[in-house]
Amino acid sequence: EPEVTQTPSHQVTQMGQEVILRCVPISNHLYFYWYRQILGQKVEFLVSFYNNEISEKSEIFDDQFSVERPDGSNFTLKIRSTKLEDSAMYFCASSVEGTDSPLHFGNGTRLTVT
Amino acid sequence: QKEVEQDPGPLSVPEGAIVSLNCTYSNSAFQYFMWYRQYSRKGPELLMYTYSSGNKEDGRFTAQVDKSSKYISLFIRDSQPSDSATYLCATNSGYSTLTFGKGTMLLVSP
Repeated sequence: EPEVTQTPSHQVTQMGQEVILRCVPISNHLYFYWYRQILGQKVEFLVSFYNNEISEKSEIFDDQFSVERPDGSNFTLKIRSTKLEDSAMYFCASSVEGTDSPLHFGNGTRLTVT
Repeated sequence: QKEVEQDPGPLSVPEGAIVSLNCTYSNSAFQYFMWYRQYSRKGPELLMYTYSSGNKEDGRFTAQVDKSSKYISLFIRDSQPSDSATYLCATNSGYSTLTFGKGTMLLVSP
């Protein structure tokens, strides 16, 4: 069964450093998302992306965050200058038709900022 | 008021029991309802996807939506130790992003 894949599975970085989290969505999906989950908290929406542009973003997704689809298969989340509070699991998801079709999630990247 | 609420548990049951997991939501515009299963340190795995009120069955799993009371349920029949996980309900209006509950931890003992 097709799946969303994310790399790396675990990323450790120092405060202030830039990180790029990578995702390969399911191939026939058109909508891409990033969510995050701080330990013990609920899964929170960050950003949605369609047709090579951001379609919606949350208040968490400030100027330190950016997303890109650099080629036909990858979807990336960049955090420019990481803070301690950015430590979380970051999940990429994709869907066929947007918010009225189910989202399929990857296994996440655990980001630890020290 | 939080948009989607779940009892965090843990809910502990013996193998073979029928499990009932529940979720309430506040936004009457929500009409798509999902249940995800999440194992520790893994991503949410889609279990059930329903639209509007009613029941949907898939193997040992049944999802039930009551829009009049804004109440969502997931029933698991013949529960197995491998069902031990956190179950997340999620919902949206079709024009909004997915809103998750905090999840209910289920423990099925052999």
